[in-house]
Amino acid sequence: AQSVTQLDSQVPVFEEAPVELRCNYSSSVSVYLFWYVQYPNQGLQLLLKYLSGSTLVKGINGFEAEFNKSQTSFHLRKPSVHISDTAEYFCAVTTSGSRLTFGEGTQLTVNP
Amino acid sequence: ETGVTQSPTHLIKTRGQQVTLRCSSQSGHNTVSWYQQALGQGPQFIFQYYREEENGRGNFPPRFSGLQFPNYSSELNVNALELDDSALYLCASSLSAGTDTQYFGPGTRLTVL
Repeated sequence: AQSVTQLDSQVPVFEEAPVELRCNYSSSVSVYLFWYVQYPNQGLQLLLKYLSGSTLVKGINGFEAEFNKSQTSFHLRKPSVHISDTAEYFCAVTTSGSRLTFGEGTQLTVNP
Repeated sequence: ETGVTQSPTHLIKTRGQQVTLRCSSQSGHNTVSWYQQALGQGPQFIFQYYREEENGRGNFPPRFSGLQFPNYSSELNVNALELDDSALYLCASSLSAGTDTQYFGPGTRLTVL
């Protein structure tokens, strides 16, 4: 079975500052990794995904993530955040594709 | 092309009642997955349907059941509601079972009193 740990439950940052949201996973087999964003009272929107190939993945809204197999991590980064990036961010993993296992989420709050 | 839609948006039930939640998958998608998201937590996988057959189930009791129809829309049924069933129920569709990306609907907020 796989599991996901999001190392920070809350990350406050100032507008235009860089941000990193950390995600570690555990699995005995190859994984596929995702980051989703959830705005208040909404469903989940896909930010980016790693299925294979280049370990640096670029997503929407200027986000990117790097898959590190040796450290079993998939950290999400953005060089300069905006107020509109305030949301809950979820890291998810799957091995078979039939189910996503999510972390507990990281609340990103961007302050002016 | 319409995305994943869910109905109703909100629902209030009392303990012991039964509820049916509905999901329309994105055009061209034949796989639907259901998740339960309790307040302040990440979504938990309930089950997945692929071409009208159950294709994986999470750690949920049998009173959680589902259906997928020939047009690939889906229903989630919960019997004998408990207070702990209060949550946001999310439906996601994907092109096929496997590693295809799951696209989520807006969710149904269920409150059990």
